[in-house]
Amino acid sequence: QVQLVQSGAEVKKPGASVKVSCKASGYTFTSSDIYWFRQATGQGLEWMAWMNPNSGNTGSPQKFQGRVTITRDTSISTAYMELSSLRSEDTAVYYCARLNLDQYYYYRGMDVWGQGTMVTVSS
Amino acid sequence: EIVLTQSPGTLSLSPGERATLSCRASQSVTSSYLTWYQQKPGQAPRLLIYGASSRAAGIPDRFSGSGSGTDFTLTISRLEPEDFAVYHCQLYGSSPTFGQGTKVEIK
Repeated sequence: QVQLVQSGAEVKKPGASVKVSCKASGYTFTSSDIYWFRQATGQGLEWMAWMNPNSGNTGSPQKFQGRVTITRDTSISTAYMELSSLRSEDTAVYYCARLNLDQYYYYRGMDVWGQGTMVTVSS
Repeated sequence: EIVLTQSPGTLSLSPGERATLSCRASQSVTSSYLTWYQQKPGQAPRLLIYGASSRAAGIPDRFSGSGSGTDFTLTISRLEPEDFAVYHCQLYGSSPTFGQGTKVEIK
């Protein structure tokens, strides 16, 4: 079945970096954009970055520019999100999600989500 | 930047009752990009509704979405035990944004 499987929980010290992976299966990895979101405990969802796995093009909101790096390895259908200069406020669950567009490129929602990766930043 | 405001913050209802959740945008938005997700504790969001009113694959017909412009609504016609969760509205676009969520809890 179509799924995204993320890497396991991480504990990092302030100032360090974390790299979360998101492995796609059940569909052609390069056919759908991947989005990254995060959710602090008890909070809403926050968009972090976007990638087109085919072209490698990426984008992120100004808040994360310079701190977030999105890459992919198409040979293993995996996207990566690296966040640097971690601080306590980055403690959250990080999700990848697949953007679903139909054959006419109409938006059909983010239909497949990874299970989430808990990142804890603590000294 | 468009802000989505969901109300109420918490909705306390009994199984079998009707749930009406609101999502209001700070300015008029394209309904094609208004999306609803369900999230249960410890789980990732699950796509329910896209394009303001289209149900995603496998979503029961007790879930319906409506609205346009700045006001959107998610309705659950008769709450089943598995529907008690947090519901998020989202606006897709160059900078995807979410509302803060509405928790539907058992009364």
